[in-house]
Amino acid sequence: KAGVTQTPRYLIKTRGQQVTLSCSPISGHRSVSWYQQTPGQGLQFLFEYFSETQRNKGNFPGRFSGRQFSNSRSEMNVSTLELGDSALYLCASSLQGIEAFFGQGTRLTVV
Amino acid sequence: SQQGEEDPQALSIQEGENATMNCSYKTSINNLQWYRQNSGRGLVHLILIRSNEREKHSGRLRVTLDTSKKSSSLLITASRAADTASYFCATRTSYDKVIFGPGTSLSVIP
Repeated sequence: KAGVTQTPRYLIKTRGQQVTLSCSPISGHRSVSWYQQTPGQGLQFLFEYFSETQRNKGNFPGRFSGRQFSNSRSEMNVSTLELGDSALYLCASSLQGIEAFFGQGTRLTVV
Repeated sequence: SQQGEEDPQALSIQEGENATMNCSYKTSINNLQWYRQNSGRGLVHLILIRSNEREKHSGRLRVTLDTSKKSSSLLITASRAADTASYFCATRTSYDKVIFGPGTSLSVIP
């Protein structure tokens, strides 16, 4: 079956702009999590959704938001982009929040 | 601070040797997982060990968990050049948050 699909793969944005990233989980998976990966901070948990409800949220400012749709697809949005938001954003899906399957990520560069 | 801390940060070994990585964590966990990441791509799930398990095997991988010491180790036996990657431990806490450690960068020299 198809894996986790993240779009777009690469993105370049200007400071102050906003961005929306998309994640399509594995069919049947209802849990979707988002992570930010940077060389300095490593892998940091952003949020986790299950059946359209946010179950957990990491320590990120309110500029970072997300949502999950009824078909389990998820989007995350970052508003008022800052240079420090440049990172690899990873999405993972799982059946019940246990074993997570990751997408290839979206590489966001803020200039 | 990170929940999971891998040790060492970087490891370089010859092909055929065994590689051992350690992970320590701070709070109570429901399970601990190990992942591999190649060159900044997506993570690949390797193995999950639950808090009531002490050891688990999967192919050339062996994971141990010591909840009294809040630590886990990942052993890769008979390493191959293709094992070159970054390895992360991730803990799911009793508050249901998943926290990754900073990772161990493994280089296997042919």
